Amino acid sequence: GQQVMQIPQYQHVQEGEDFTTYCNSSTTLSNIQWYKQRPGGHPVFLIQLVKSGEVKKQKRLTFQFGEAKKNSSLHITATQTTDVGTYFCAGTDSSYKLIFGSGTRLLVRP
Amino acid sequence: DAGVTQSPTHLIKTRGQQVTLRCSPKSGHDTVSWYQQALGQGPQFIFQYYEEEERQRGNFPDRFSGHQFPNYSSELNVNALLLGDSALYLCASSPNTGSLNTEAFFGQGTRLTVV
Repeated sequence: GQQVMQIPQYQHVQEGEDFTTYCNSSTTLSNIQWYKQRPGGHPVFLIQLVKSGEVKKQKRLTFQFGEAKKNSSLHITATQTTDVGTYFCAGTDSSYKLIFGSGTRLLVRP
Repeated sequence: DAGVTQSPTHLIKTRGQQVTLRCSPKSGHDTVSWYQQALGQGPQFIFQYYEEEERQRGNFPDRFSGHQFPNYSSELNVNALLLGDSALYLCASSPNTGSLNTEAFFGQGTRLTVV
């Protein structure tokens, strides 16, 4: 079945450093979504990418969807302590089933 | 405007028992999905309900069942609980826009512990 893999599992950065998490799917995706989950919280929607090669920006966050629609990345510029949390990608192929990656946990040293 | 609400927030059950979790979707949303999130893992899709019917199901046994009511609220039932069912159960609602997936709004979840 469809699998979504995410790397790295953990990333510990100094405040002000950049951060990137990568997401790869075993199948072509119709779209991909990104969520952030703070410790003890619930996933909060960040963005959805639909088009091949799409790039979207939200302030310091840049999201990319690969040309083959099988991979995606999230890049955070100049991390802040408020960026702490686990970032999940979630994709779907041709069904209503949203498959989440295992997440990348971001820790930021002040 | 209330977001997605789930009840209860925490629950402790004994192995073999049955449990019912409840979810009220965000106002204006008619689609409800349920997820199981084990500690340190991503949410795993259980099933999705739309128009009071199960529209899509993930790889979960028949012990997991659900229901959606005319007001779009939903229940998740788990029978014959196993220790491995201990997890955070998340409900997510979304509007049915005709596309396969739209932004999902998650509730705070129900933390189920099976002892």
